[in-house]
Amino acid sequence: QVQLQESGPGLVKPSETLSLTCTVSGGSISGYYWSWIRQPPGKGLEWIGYIYYNGNTNYNPSLESRVTISVDTSKNQFSLKLSSVTAADTAVYFCARHNGRAQDYWGQGTLVTVSS
Amino acid sequence: QSALTQPPSAAGSPGQSVTISCTGTSSDVGGYNYVSWYQQHPGKAPKVMIYEVSKRPSGVPDRFSGSKSGNTASLTVSGLQAEDEADYYCSSYAGITHVVFGGGTKLTVL
Repeated sequence: QVQLQESGPGLVKPSETLSLTCTVSGGSISGYYWSWIRQPPGKGLEWIGYIYYNGNTNYNPSLESRVTISVDTSKNQFSLKLSSVTAADTAVYFCARHNGRAQDYWGQGTLVTVSS
Repeated sequence: QSALTQPPSAAGSPGQSVTISCTGTSSDVGGYNYVSWYQQHPGKAPKVMIYEVSKRPSGVPDRFSGSKSGNTASLTVSGLQAEDEADYYCSSYAGITHVVFGGGTKLTVL
């Protein structure tokens, strides 16, 4: 059974860079797209972007200037960096596997708060 | 503002059927058969209930069904049960934008 686990700081200061890692277990990272999705408290889901296992990326145009997603196949991990964060970036951040049809496996999510 | 439009709430009594709509444009919902629906209980990660408009993943009850007409997709939950009370989100492939979500619908089982 594929499992995903997000890790990273739960508190980031304004203007700094948010960094999260998603570790995939129970399956290989190869052959799939790997997504980051966020959910501000009490609000809906927002797709941030995804990366193919070969490193090809696609980002939400509204965040593209601040987002970098990378993959480390040797560690079965992929990562998110979001620069110049503000309070509006406070959210639960989910990593998920996209099988070409839908996000079929999700991490439990991690709350990241942007505050000084 | 979400890319896809969903009603904020829906409700039904146990045993009844409820349909949730998801309206987009010809650039997303209407242009591709890649609409999916996710169920999210409070404090939990979303779970895919429908993919490619009307297909159910293994383990999802056949009480859940999906359809699409033009730029509007729909999720129908038949024979409502208490455990169906949750937030539901639609999602669509959107070409260059790739993935868009709806604003979510809170389903209440009365």
